[in-house]
Amino acid sequence: EAQVTQNPRYLITVTGKKLTVTCSQNMNHEYMSWYRQDPGLGLRQIYYSMNVEVTDKGDVPEGYKVSRKEKRNFPLILESPSPNQTSLYFCASGWTGGNQPQHFGDGTRLSIL
Amino acid sequence: AQTVTQSQPEMSVQEAETVTLSCTYDTSESDYYLFWYKQPPSRQMILVIRQEAYKQQNATENRFSVNFQKAAKSFSLKISDSQLGDAAMYFCARIYGNNRLAFGKGNQVVVIP
Repeated sequence: EAQVTQNPRYLITVTGKKLTVTCSQNMNHEYMSWYRQDPGLGLRQIYYSMNVEVTDKGDVPEGYKVSRKEKRNFPLILESPSPNQTSLYFCASGWTGGNQPQHFGDGTRLSIL
Repeated sequence: AQTVTQSQPEMSVQEAETVTLSCTYDTSESDYYLFWYKQPPSRQMILVIRQEAYKQQNATENRFSVNFQKAAKSFSLKISDSQLGDAAMYFCARIYGNNRLAFGKGNQVVVIP
């Protein structure tokens, strides 16, 4: 089954404790991306990757890191999480070329206390 | 950042009736792609419909159709014969740049039995 898998689905943690949200896709997509969703703001892009070892900042990259060492994986790293990073996070993947829709993971609810 | 605007944060519709969600966007391109995504309470992001800007014909998927007005940069979604399962947040989105998606802030649709 074609899917984008995020882990964990839920996480409550404390300020400053490094965390990683994993994302894996099994569709051999070149493109992967992270978004955060906040009430009243819709989804905003954090980072994206056009292919292995190619990453770039989205609209709200501050406080986040990513890496793309393998085509299927695109982890999101919060080195020193802060309460303003409490949000719902989505990973997505797709083919390059603007007519192809992106496939989304089921979301990760992060709470930073 | 690219701008996608959705007005009317919440809309109610009687079951079996029709509801229309509005969306406007900015662009200087002549060819681009537009999408409507549905987010039910399960939080999944589900593609509802897509429109290619160079196509004059409005896209239709079963009970979902769009009214695409290219000159006005308008992309509204019509849900006909509304069902309880249509209750969700709906996001309008546009592709730009390197396969990046810009989202509106969303419309919450409430279906009244």
